[in-house]
Amino acid sequence: GAVVSQHPSWVICKSGTSVKIECRSLDFQATTMFWYRQFPKQSLMLMATSNEGSKATYEQGVEKDKFLINHASLTLSTLTVTSAHPEDSSFYICSARGFFGPGTRLTVL
Amino acid sequence: QQQVKQSPQSLIVQKGGISIINCAYENTAFDYFPWYQQFPGKGPALLIAIRPDVSEKKEGRFTISFNKSAKQFSLHIMDSQPGDSATYFCAASRMDSNYQLIWGAGTKLIIKP
Repeated sequence: GAVVSQHPSWVICKSGTSVKIECRSLDFQATTMFWYRQFPKQSLMLMATSNEGSKATYEQGVEKDKFLINHASLTLSTLTVTSAHPEDSSFYICSARGFFGPGTRLTVL
Repeated sequence: QQQVKQSPQSLIVQKGGISIINCAYENTAFDYFPWYQQFPGKGPALLIAIRPDVSEKKEGRFTISFNKSAKQFSLHIMDSQPGDSATYFCAASRMDSNYQLIWGAGTKLIIKP
């Protein structure tokens, strides 16, 4: 199947700093990618839809100024968690065409 | 209308047995129904998927049964093995939505040796 990569696989940062997570489709182009977050023992929660060449679409309750999404090319979308706080600690996963990246574990101290 | 209901929440099956997980949907516009397998600390991996024009799809030990009239679909894992222990998610989507998936709540499957 198609391959989606994420980088980094895990990150630990101090409260107040910003963290960027990259999502790449390795063997196909994706005009649309999705960003999810997942809390322990829960299902995936859609945060936003990343659209190449246009603004991301955010789900209700997701702060667009806190979770900045940039779909720079047909194979790359980035999620930046700005001014991260401990409550932002979670597992962030991207997807494209129904295939998922391996996820990024964010821990904010 | 957008919900996908999944059951059971957890399931314990003896090695060699059949694991069955069920999902129900409401939106008749859905036309793509995948199942994902997720191990702890990993992203979901596409296991098998079905479209509503067929009633069953089999890949190895994994089978999806689809009942369009009842708006239900299920995953059957034959000859379940300890390595199948994971969380399984069903989902539904419209193909014209770029695979924007509506997720079930997940089923934690434990296969006892």
